[in-house]
Amino acid sequence: RKEVEQDPGPFNVPEGATVAFNCTYSNSASQSFFWYRQDCRKEPKLLMSVYSSGNEDGRFTAQLNRASQYISLLIRDSKLSDSATYLCVVNRRSTSGTYKYIFGTGTRLKVLA
Amino acid sequence: DAGVIQSPRHEVTEMGQEVTLRCKPISGHNSLFWYRQTMMRGLELLIYFNNNVPIDDSGMPEDRFSAKMPNASFSTLKIQPSEPRDSAVYFCASSPDRDYEQYFGPGTRLTVT
Repeated sequence: RKEVEQDPGPFNVPEGATVAFNCTYSNSASQSFFWYRQDCRKEPKLLMSVYSSGNEDGRFTAQLNRASQYISLLIRDSKLSDSATYLCVVNRRSTSGTYKYIFGTGTRLKVLA
Repeated sequence: DAGVIQSPRHEVTEMGQEVTLRCKPISGHNSLFWYRQTMMRGLELLIYFNNNVPIDDSGMPEDRFSAKMPNASFSTLKIQPSEPRDSAVYFCASSPDRDYEQYFGPGTRLTVT
C-alpha cells in the first residue's frame, strides 16, 4: 500500500461544477500537508498548504482530518483553466530525524465547456 | 524574483554517456531537492540537501547517480553511465526549510537512447 494515495481519475466535470478530491495517508507521523497543481509537461506548483483548521483561497478549500488521516480539496465554480493534475503532498519526519516529502500520484481533473 | 533555475531544459544522450543536470535554488532557501518523474512511477524524491549537506539520499536509484551541492546557490545531479531507463523529467525544488512548501524548477527532460 502506498503511503499517500489518491484516486487517479480522471474527473470530468462541466464548467461551474463543484468537485472534491480526497487523499489518504498512512503514516500518523505526518506533519504538514500541501496540494500542488501540475499542468501537462510543466512543473508542479504549490496550490495551497493545508492547515489543521482548514483553509480557503478563493474557490479552493482544503481540509485536514487527522483522525481519519486524509486531506481534501474542494473546487467550487470550476473553470476550464482548472484542468490539471492535482497532487497531494505529505511531509513527515522519520525516526532518524530526516524529513520525507511524499507525493501522491495525482488526480486528473478535466473541466468541460 | 527569479524562481528555481534548471539547465539544460532538454538533454538527449546516448547510453553510456555522462549526464550532468544543474540547479540554482531560490536565493535564501536552505533546502534543495532533486526529483525524477515518469509516467510509470510518478514523482520520486531522489535526494535532498539542507544547508548544502545531503540529508537523505535513499531515493538515489544506484551508484550511477550522484549529487553535489558545493554552495548555497548551485547543485548538480550526475548520471554516469546513463542508461535508457534513466529517461525521465528531473526536477529540482527548493524550500525555505525542510518542513515548508517547495518551489519547483521547470525541469530537465532527459532522453537516453
